[in-house]
Amino acid sequence: DAGVIQSPRHEVTEMGQEVTLRCKPISGHNSLFWYRQTMMRGLELLIYFNNNVPIDDSGMPEDRFSAKMPNASFSTLKIQPSEPRDSAVYFCASQPDSPYNEQFFGPGTRLTVL
Amino acid sequence: KQEVTQIPAALSVPEGENLVLNCSFTDSAIYNLQWFRQDPGKGLTSLLLIQSSQREQTSGRLNASLDKSSGRSTLYIAASQPGDSATYLCAVTENQAGTALIFGKGTTLSVSS
Repeated sequence: DAGVIQSPRHEVTEMGQEVTLRCKPISGHNSLFWYRQTMMRGLELLIYFNNNVPIDDSGMPEDRFSAKMPNASFSTLKIQPSEPRDSAVYFCASQPDSPYNEQFFGPGTRLTVL
Repeated sequence: KQEVTQIPAALSVPEGENLVLNCSFTDSAIYNLQWFRQDPGKGLTSLLLIQSSQREQTSGRLNASLDKSSGRSTLYIAASQPGDSATYLCAVTENQAGTALIFGKGTTLSVSS
């Protein structure tokens, strides 16, 4: 398996622009998580899905952020409009339904908003 | 609210030294604890996962222990090598299967040759 796939790996955009981050989880995994990593706050959960349904979106900072999971093999995180304080590394992780609940992370998308 | 703390924030050791990284959590009602490694500019690699009913897990030169009652975990690295240089992150899931990870801020390890 190729692991969790994220695209793009790097994104540079200007304030006010729409940004869409993409994630393909490991096949067969039932849960998908979006995390954000910054120097100040470390890694924090934004939202997670189970069987394509959003379960906890309490970490989504503002209405500017939205996430979808239209099917088991694809998810998007959208920021509209983007702001400089959104600059961070965004990670997607997937997890199978098993007693161990081990999460597997993608390589991340480094977002820079100018 | 669960909080995860890792001490120290940074550690420098000479090659060959055995070392211990510490992780503490405020609520002992965890489901499991996971240790990750992160190289600069890279994603997270899972090193070890300890279920709440377990006391330790081993993988090669790594040994992770868990003391739920005291809210502590340690990651022991034997015979450290320059290739071990990275940031090590500790994370817990709370007492419900499938919930998100709550991370510490990590310990950045530098092993000099």
